Amino acid sequence: EDKVVQSPLSLVVHEGDTVTLNCSYEVTNFRSLLWYKQEKKAPTFLFMLTSSGIEKKSGRLSSILDKKELFSILNITATQTGDSAVYLCALYNTNAGKSTFGDGTTLTVKP
Amino acid sequence: GAVVSQHPSWVICKSGTSVKIECRSLDFQATTMFWYRQFPKQSLMLMATSNEGSKATYEQGVEKDKFLINHASLTLSTLTVTSAHPEDSSFYICSARVLRDSRGSGANVLTFGAGSRLTVL
Repeated sequence: EDKVVQSPLSLVVHEGDTVTLNCSYEVTNFRSLLWYKQEKKAPTFLFMLTSSGIEKKSGRLSSILDKKELFSILNITATQTGDSAVYLCALYNTNAGKSTFGDGTTLTVKP
Repeated sequence: GAVVSQHPSWVICKSGTSVKIECRSLDFQATTMFWYRQFPKQSLMLMATSNEGSKATYEQGVEKDKFLINHASLTLSTLTVTSAHPEDSSFYICSARVLRDSRGSGANVLTFGAGSRLTVL
């Protein structure tokens, strides 16, 4: 059974800090690893990673995948209060045709 | 971009009644939709995969007769919670795989509805 483990489960930082969120996984048929941000309601897509070592970047957020060690990290630099959210890591299994989500990391950015 | 509309956003009902939640893909066709359930401070738990024109595929432990899923068209899937009880109170979210994405990220990206918060009294 596919497994996604995120750490830490929660994190409190101050504005301007840099944070690193971790996601390790086990999957039988890897297709892609995705990061989502969930604020009040539904998750919104951040990144999709399919290849090792290629950093995806969007503004202050970046993510990278290591398929050999089976993990991914999500970095947020110069955090802002608007970054406060639950960050979800998900695996897409090609054979099963579905995604498995981790428990999420709850990030709180204090002013 | 792809938009999934979910309705209602919140519903309160009495124990024993049935509640229907709709999920529509507004600007794309979704042959497959997914229904998730989320408890407070927990992650998304996949309940079932809804397939247009065929029966839904339920995850282990999810009662098919309790959570009825219908995917009658390429843009609409519905989840009906039958004979709801207080333990069914939860946040239900639907999603669809985007078959084509302008960013080229393809079929693996899920677009989520805004979710429906069900409270059963």
